[in-house]
Amino acid sequence: SQQGEEDPQALSIQEGENATMNCSYKTSINNLQWYRQNSGRGLVHLILIRSNEREKHSGRLRVTLDTSKKSSSLLITASRAADTASYFCATDSSNSGYALNFGKGTSLLVTP
Amino acid sequence: KAGVTQTPRYLIKTRGQQVTLSCSPISGHRSVSWYQQTPGQGLQFLFEYFSETQRNKGNFPGRFSGRQFSNSRSEMNVSTLELGDSALYLCASSLQGTGNTIYFGEGSWLTVV
Repeated sequence: SQQGEEDPQALSIQEGENATMNCSYKTSINNLQWYRQNSGRGLVHLILIRSNEREKHSGRLRVTLDTSKKSSSLLITASRAADTASYFCATDSSNSGYALNFGKGTSLLVTP
Repeated sequence: KAGVTQTPRYLIKTRGQQVTLSCSPISGHRSVSWYQQTPGQGLQFLFEYFSETQRNKGNFPGRFSGRQFSNSRSEMNVSTLELGDSALYLCASSLQGTGNTIYFGEGSWLTVV
């Protein structure tokens, strides 16, 4: 079952702009991970944020987590054409039994 | 360090046949999980193995099975293939499961005709 829901479903921006994607989930989580997927390829891990953390950074990526609102956001700063991909959030919880629950993803298009 | 390796990358099977997909996790990782990705259903959890034991199984019929070997390598098998089994099958590995960073392979594209 899908736990996370990304918003927006699709996002189109120009190079150099920032891209923000949101993820909402329904039940309490232990961890939330963000992944990138280029068309037809596997998932590339971006960031893991734990339920007791509020913000993490990795290069041009910034992830926030608000457990009170059951939501997370992924910010990509100074986007590049190479950032064009689908982005997924995945959660795990005490009830998920070692399974990641994925949202349907946000499709990001960065045009030169 | 080599990543998660899945074989084969692409395969075409006929309805009713069976298929076996293979996954080699990152060295030192003992947890291996499998996911099915389709346009309609998205990414869905199939099962997870740790030290040769299945710890959890998703909501898939019994035609989907898997196993893990003592070297942590894993295989999944789908018997009596149906057209709806056409999907990208992704293997993922981590040190001990959720709670650790989970790394995915490139996937195996299965087309059932």
